[in-house]
Amino acid sequence: GAGVSQSPRYKVAKRGQDVALRCDPISGHVSLFWYQQALGQGPEFLTYFQNEAQLDKSGLPSDRFFAERPEGSVSTLKIQRTQQEDSAVYLCASRGASGGTNTGELFFGEGSRLTVL
Amino acid sequence: GNSVTQMEGPVTLSEEAFLTINCTYTATGYPSLFWYVQYPGEGLQLLLKATKADDKGSNKGFEATYRKETTSFHLEKGSVQVSDSAVYFCALGPYGNNRLAFGKGNQVVVIP
Repeated sequence: GAGVSQSPRYKVAKRGQDVALRCDPISGHVSLFWYQQALGQGPEFLTYFQNEAQLDKSGLPSDRFFAERPEGSVSTLKIQRTQQEDSAVYLCASRGASGGTNTGELFFGEGSRLTVL
Repeated sequence: GNSVTQMEGPVTLSEEAFLTINCTYTATGYPSLFWYVQYPGEGLQLLLKATKADDKGSNKGFEATYRKETTSFHLEKGSVQVSDSAVYFCALGPYGNNRLAFGKGNQVVVIP
């Protein structure tokens, strides 16, 4: 697609529910990132995929968070047994294969705003 | 480690005023530096970037210079418009597994 697409844009969950957030990156982009943005804060790294391989999940805050990208394109971030502190905007970003100078530019989706009641 | 610090608080100014948003960084190695902008209801988008010391990034009238001696990448615009109202994020990278580190962001409100 033309840009990074995320769904749903807004999700309200009751505490304890499981949620799944979807990211459709720019077609052909090898790298995919998930970031968490709390209110009034900058994006914080969660996890990184290169194609279907999850190369870095060091930013995931707990084992309730799980991400996958089984075919190297669409990715899903799943949060189990949601807690109030999980309320945030979850941003997905993608980047093409590096060529020449890799300057690290990321292309972001509009984000999925999760509110846990 | 790698981190970015932005000045505290929102910035409110009148149309045609001069805008400065401060950004300082701590980094290992030689990262690139970025300013991203988030307009209301939209995703983050790259505003400008600089890949090495003394480089100046520029776009849409905004400028920022990569200053290694002061570890800074301050964003400036000489004459802001109402349409510049947005949240601005300073970032550095890539490092580790290609990640970027972001500052907390500054909300800029331009009043007609």
